[in-house]
Amino acid sequence: NAGVMQNPRHLVRRRGQEARLRCSPMKGHSHVYWYRQLPEEGLKFMVYLQKENIIDESGMPKERFSAEFPKEGPSILRIQQVVRGDSAAYFCASSPPGGGQNQPQHFGDGTRLSIL
Amino acid sequence: AQSVAQPEDQVNVAEGNPLTVKCTYSVSGNPYLFWYVQYPNRGLQFLLKYITGDNLVKGSYGFEAEFNKSQTSFHLKKPSALVSDSALYFCAVRAPGVGSQGNLIFGKGTKLSVKP
Repeated sequence: NAGVMQNPRHLVRRRGQEARLRCSPMKGHSHVYWYRQLPEEGLKFMVYLQKENIIDESGMPKERFSAEFPKEGPSILRIQQVVRGDSAAYFCASSPPGGGQNQPQHFGDGTRLSIL
Repeated sequence: AQSVAQPEDQVNVAEGNPLTVKCTYSVSGNPYLFWYVQYPNRGLQFLLKYITGDNLVKGSYGFEAEFNKSQTSFHLKKPSALVSDSALYFCAVRAPGVGSQGNLIFGKGTKLSVKP
């Protein structure tokens, strides 16, 4: 009964490169959320997706960041032209369809992105 | 705007003693409140939630939380702390629904340290 799977667990990039973070939600889950955690801080919402749809991207930086959740395959968070300030832990969470506001979200173990 | 405050950065407790981790919230409408725990280099694990009903909510690993509407608080409690409870604890509130479910808004976290 696999949980939320994120890969890679650790990712190192040089400034200006692209970072791709992957998230496979729990089986049967159709809602995916991405959060960013800076050192010594809580998680900040970035984007909420359902299959082939971005529902809420109010937490996404306006430039360089994008996310998708295709019909087949994992959700991808893509960061173009990375900068040092992008260094953080990026967490994906998923929840099942239905149930509304009372559904807890289930989190992966995160991808720790380091920018050299 | 929805928000969550965790007034203590760190809580120190002796093993066997009761513990409380504080959380206050600000929401418009009915609050949907959650507690999560994070161990080093791991994702967040769901502990418990308050939606409606009894003000005392029981969750995983012997934890419980007390919802107090007049004080807008949702403190996490455990009658007898274990060393293995040492971790980072996050309180969260559900954002107003965008789509069928909204994202979580997290407090900054409280580091719980339980000494033998």
